[in-house]
Amino acid sequence: SQKIEQNSEALNIQEGKTATLTCNYTNYSPAYLQWYRQDPGRGPVFLLLIRENEKEKRKERLKVTFDTTLKQSLFHITASQPADSATYLCALGAAGGGNKLTFGTGTQLKVEL
Amino acid sequence: EADIYQTPRYLVIGTGKKITLECSQTMGHDKMYWYQQDPGMELHLIHYSYGVNSTEKGDLSSESTVSRIRTEHFPLTLESARPSHTSQYLCASSSLAGIETQYFGPGTRLLVL
Repeated sequence: SQKIEQNSEALNIQEGKTATLTCNYTNYSPAYLQWYRQDPGRGPVFLLLIRENEKEKRKERLKVTFDTTLKQSLFHITASQPADSATYLCALGAAGGGNKLTFGTGTQLKVEL
Repeated sequence: EADIYQTPRYLVIGTGKKITLECSQTMGHDKMYWYQQDPGMELHLIHYSYGVNSTEKGDLSSESTVSRIRTEHFPLTLESARPSHTSQYLCASSSLAGIETQYFGPGTRLLVL
C-alpha cells in the first residue's frame, strides 16, 4: 500500500539556522508533490508545489527538492525564525488523479531563540 | 487568506444526534473536499466533489454523507453521531484546471460524547 513517511519526531533548531524536513514515499509514483504548513487548530496552508520532472523549486526562504529515484523530497527553510514554528505536511498527487492528494503525517518544527 | 469557511468551529454533541458540518467557499472553485484528521495523524480524504451534483467517496471509509447542490456549498452530514466520529473535519477547495493547490478552511473540531 502507499506510504508517506515524514520525520515522526519534532525538529528543534535555533533561530537563523536552516531547517531540513524529509518526506519519503513508497509504492507510489507521484506526478507532483506539495508542501503545506499547518498551525495548531487551523487548516493547512499551501507553500510550494514541485512536479516530477523538476529537481528543485524555491520561494523566498523556502526550497524544495524532489528525487524520484530516491522517492524523496526535502524541504528547507533557511534563516529560520520562531514564526516558522508549525507542522509541515507533504502531500503527493498522481497524474490524472483529479488533484486528489495523499498526505503524510507531518513534521513539527520548533524554532528557538 | 483563502475564502473558505466552516461552521461550527467546535461542536460537542451526544451520541445518536444528527449533525451537519457546513463548508462554503467564495472562490468559485469546482472541486471541493472533506478530510478527517485525528491529532498528530495525517489527513484522510473522506469525500470529494468535482462540481454540482457530483460527489465521490474518498480513500477513508466514512459513515458521513455529503451533497453538492450549489458550487459554493459542500455540507457534510452524520445521521447518527457516535464517539468514534470524534475528530477534526477539514474542508478544502481547488480550481478545476490542472494541478491546483488546495485551500483549506479552519476546520470543525467534533466531540461526540
